[in-house]
Amino acid sequence: GENVEQHPSTLSVQEGDSAVIKCTYSDSASNYFPWYKQELGKRPQLIIDIRSNVGEKKDQRIAVTLNKTAKHFSLHITETQPEDSAVYFCAASIDGNKLVFGAGTILRVKS
Amino acid sequence: GAGVSQSPSNKVTEKGKDVELRCDPISGHTALYWYRQSLGQGLEFLIYFQGNSAPDKSGLPSDRFSAERTGGSVSTLTIQRTQQEDSAVYLCASTGGLAVTDTQYFGPGTRLTVL
Repeated sequence: GENVEQHPSTLSVQEGDSAVIKCTYSDSASNYFPWYKQELGKRPQLIIDIRSNVGEKKDQRIAVTLNKTAKHFSLHITETQPEDSAVYFCAASIDGNKLVFGAGTILRVKS
Repeated sequence: GAGVSQSPSNKVTEKGKDVELRCDPISGHTALYWYRQSLGQGLEFLIYFQGNSAPDKSGLPSDRFSAERTGGSVSTLTIQRTQQEDSAVYLCASTGGLAVTDTQYFGPGTRLTVL
């Protein structure tokens, strides 16, 4: 079955710096890759997603890149702010109707 | 409008007892997912209700776990004879359609502690 690995497990950056979180997946049939943000004590929320027919997608300070050949995708956050501190989960689609999630990355933005 | 709600928010139970966790999806949402989130782990898929089709139970870890969705709306996840390893946050999510690309809207979760 699909396996999604996410790195790093924790990431500390200085406010204003960039943060990059990487995920790899195993199922070459996966074609949808969302990213969810979970603030402390709150529910996960979708922040950005990418489909397999594009290589990059941007939304203000966040962007996601996808390399289907290498089966990896990454989340990029620029000009980080304290409110970006949260746990970030990547996911990859399987069987056309489910998501397999990575283990999460705890991002701390130090001010 | 109202988002996904779950109850109870916290549940403490003794090993061997049965528990029921409830999920109220967003009104009109077609699909409903249950996940388990253990400490330091990602979201582990448990079960998926897809409209009127048979549910996808492929993620249920054992036959002690079951779930139902009545009237295409509210869902209940039941864990029988709970074990300490069942301790986790149980999250449900609903989507407006049946495509995997439909955004999953999560509930706040139920934190289950098995003593």
